[in-house]
Amino acid sequence: QKEVEQNSGPLSVPEGAIASLNCTYSDRGSQSFFWYRQYSGKSPELIMSIYSNGDKEDGRFTAQLNKASQYVSLLIRDSQPSDSATYLCALWPSGAGSYQLTFGKGTKLSVIP
Amino acid sequence: DTAVSQTPKYLVTQMGNDKSIKCEQNLGHDTMYWYKQDSKKFLKIMFSYNNKELIINETVPNRFSPKSPDKAHLNLHINSLELGDSAVYFCASSQGTSSETQYFGPGTRLLVL
Repeated sequence: QKEVEQNSGPLSVPEGAIASLNCTYSDRGSQSFFWYRQYSGKSPELIMSIYSNGDKEDGRFTAQLNKASQYVSLLIRDSQPSDSATYLCALWPSGAGSYQLTFGKGTKLSVIP
Repeated sequence: DTAVSQTPKYLVTQMGNDKSIKCEQNLGHDTMYWYKQDSKKFLKIMFSYNNKELIINETVPNRFSPKSPDKAHLNLHINSLELGDSAVYFCASSQGTSSETQYFGPGTRLLVL
């Protein structure tokens, strides 16, 4: 079983702070990683994808990947109440015939005004 | 224009009934998926089709039968509905079958009474 682990939270941060969301995975061969945001009652939407070790920045969001340690994280700078949502970590497993994303159970983020 | 659409958005039905959910994507993608998200928000793949061919068929009761009339449509038929089938069902699509970003539909909220 190729697993993706996330702390379910809730993670509460004050408005303006940095929110740090973490994800670990068991499949050492995975090459593609994604962060999805899901507002309550809505569908998941892609925020970031990352494929190489290091940081990838997009606006207030930074994804960090460390394949040696098998973790991927998402930093949200200057957190806003509108960032309150569940954040899903996902990866594309390695191996022949891997045609599916594997999702973690998500971390619920609450940004307090 | 909605990229991935699903009908109906809400479905309330009695145990034992048969129901269908329809999905359409106008992104020109080759691959479509059905996911189930349970009350604990865990998103789990059910089926995937690539160019109308079934490529993922997870351990799902055979009461669930997907059908892809063409690569822009993927329907899900459920026979003899059970209480445990109550969940949100998401359709998604991606361009290819590996390491591709997936785009989700708005979801169909199924409640079995």
